[in-house]
Amino acid sequence: QSMLTQPPSVSGTPGQRVAISCSGSPSSIGNNTVNWFQQLPGMAPKLLIFHNDQRPSGVPDRFSGSKSGTSASLAITGLRSDDEADYYCGAWDDSLNGRLFGGGTKLTVL
Amino acid sequence: QVQLMQSGASVKSPGASVNVSCKTSGYTFSHYGISWVRQAPGQGLEWIGWVIPYNGDTAYAQQFQDRVTMTADTSTSTAYMELRSLRSDDTAIYYCSRDSLNFDFWGPGTLVTVAS
Repeated sequence: QSMLTQPPSVSGTPGQRVAISCSGSPSSIGNNTVNWFQQLPGMAPKLLIFHNDQRPSGVPDRFSGSKSGTSASLAITGLRSDDEADYYCGAWDDSLNGRLFGGGTKLTVL
Repeated sequence: QVQLMQSGASVKSPGASVNVSCKTSGYTFSHYGISWVRQAPGQGLEWIGWVIPYNGDTAYAQQFQDRVTMTADTSTSTAYMELRSLRSDDTAIYYCSRDSLNFDFWGPGTLVTVAS
């Protein structure tokens, strides 16, 4: 059972901005950094955001991350059809002494 | 360039064990941890544990503590995961990932099917 809570699905139209939330606890997001991953159909996950708001090289600045307290958010601007994927948040949890992933959010571009 | 290559798919009977390998290249293997993550069909990501190649230290998710072993061979830059006492709900794609707190590179995944 995941202790990082994400909405199961979000949707938007091309060009729009969407946001995906990730709710945790003081021992997870509250005390540790958050990563975001994009998983295209049939592919391995790909790191999208690390340390709450940092983008690896090659990730467009249309993707941005933020964190406040025990929650984090991934924003995607200028939505494109190839952004359609599953998105996961992840963080270390001090009380579990292990890593957690959110349940995943399916982004549909209408 | 950093690459993680995994062993091929396997089919196992309930109660058996599976070994999955993850051969790395393009970076200094001992400088980064390797995490193992699985994904059951149609489900989300689940962290299994990690191994620190530098000293062999491991940490496992509680639900796998008693039936998983992770090791790393620095001479071949390869990490291994053994999962024992397989059940049908262990059917999943198993991924290795370079883990410097960021999971910045991932292997392509290994499908493990548990079926009688």
